[in-house]
Formats: sequence, C-alpha cells, structure tokens
Amino acid sequence: QKEVEQDPGPLSVPEGAIVSLNCTYSNSAFQYFMWYRQYSRKGPELLMYTYSSGNKEDGRFTAQVDKSSKYISLFIRDSQPSDSATYLCAMGVNYKLTFGKGTLLTVNP
Amino acid sequence: DSGVTQTPKHLITATGQRVTLRCSPRSGDLSVYWYQQSLDQGLQFLIHYYNGEERAKGNILERFSAQQFPDLHSELNLSSLELGDSALYFCASTSGRGQETQYFGPGTRLLVL
Repeated sequence: QKEVEQDPGPLSVPEGAIVSLNCTYSNSAFQYFMWYRQYSRKGPELLMYTYSSGNKEDGRFTAQVDKSSKYISLFIRDSQPSDSATYLCAMGVNYKLTFGKGTLLTVNP
Repeated sequence: DSGVTQTPKHLITATGQRVTLRCSPRSGDLSVYWYQQSLDQGLQFLIHYYNGEERAKGNILERFSAQQFPDLHSELNLSSLELGDSALYFCASTSGRGQETQYFGPGTRLLVL
C-alpha cells in the first residue's frame, strides 16, 4: 500500500461548481498536511497548510483533515477556469514531505 | 514568483552523460530540498540539505548526488544518465527552523535521448 493515495482524475467541472479533492494515507506518523496547486510546466505552489484534524478555510478553499480515518480533502467553492491545474496533497513528518500523485482539474467556462 | 531559482530551465542530453542542475533558495532560507517529478511516479523526494549538511535522503539513486555550498545554493548531479531519468527536477527551500511550507522553484525539465 502506498503511503499516500490520490485519485488522479481527470476531473472536469463547470464554472461555479463545488470541487472536492481527496487523499488517503497509511502513515499515522504524519504531522502536517498540505495542498499544493501546480499549473502546467510550473512548480507547485502552496494553497493550504494544517496540523490538526478539522476544517481550515481560506477564501474559496477549505482543507479538511480527519486523522482518525487518515483522510484529507480540499474543497473549492465557486470554482473558476483559473482553478484548472493539478492539485497535489502532501503530508509531512519531521522535515520530509510525501506527495500524492496529483489530481488534474479542469473548470469549464 | 516563489523566490527560488533553478537553472537551466530545459536540458537535453544523451544516455550515459552527466549533468548538473542548480538551485538558489529564497533569500534567508537555509534548507534546500530536491524532488523528481515524472508522470508515473509523481513528485518524489530525493534529498534535503540544511546549511551545507545533508539532512535526509529519499529515493535518490546512487548515480545522483547533491551538495549545498557555503553561499547556500545547491547543485544536483546526475550521472550515467538513462532514458528513465527524463523528468522534471524541482528544488524547494525553507528557512529550516521548523516544519514549514516548502517554496518550489520553476523546475528543470531534463530529457535524456
């Protein structure tokens, strides 16, 4: 079993839709959880960062962590064509990050 | 712009050759991480340096090596290149003082023919 599992998609939604992106993990030692967005041919950029179980909101983005189920989610409200990108979940312990393979999202105008 | 720079942007070379990728971290950052991103493996952690010293190793092949210099820039050396080494190589930096956000550079796209 891989340490981090992420559905690669692709996921295609109409503009304005609510998007749900998910990852599961097997390593209970992970201490912090992140979501990165990566546009084609660019480096990943951080969207959300959280340590604890529960929800964290930032504008149209909500990160949800459930440590008991080893499950994290990213919700995007009112999705925009500019949100079209690959979304990578990442989980860390000490100084090491382990990434999911990424979900390719397309938001259609 | 993350503040992390990487050169070159693109590199095309032949099997068996050796290349060097360069990374300059954000101003003030002491930690540098190297990653390899391929379509089938995703983003794989290779190695981490903090203030010139190797701190952690991930899935880095013996043909690959890295170092961080006194001015904190880092180089990733890839030797005896194989077709399967074709990938995007990213570096990321943090201040190194804790479990922090990693800021990624724009990457070097390596194509081995």
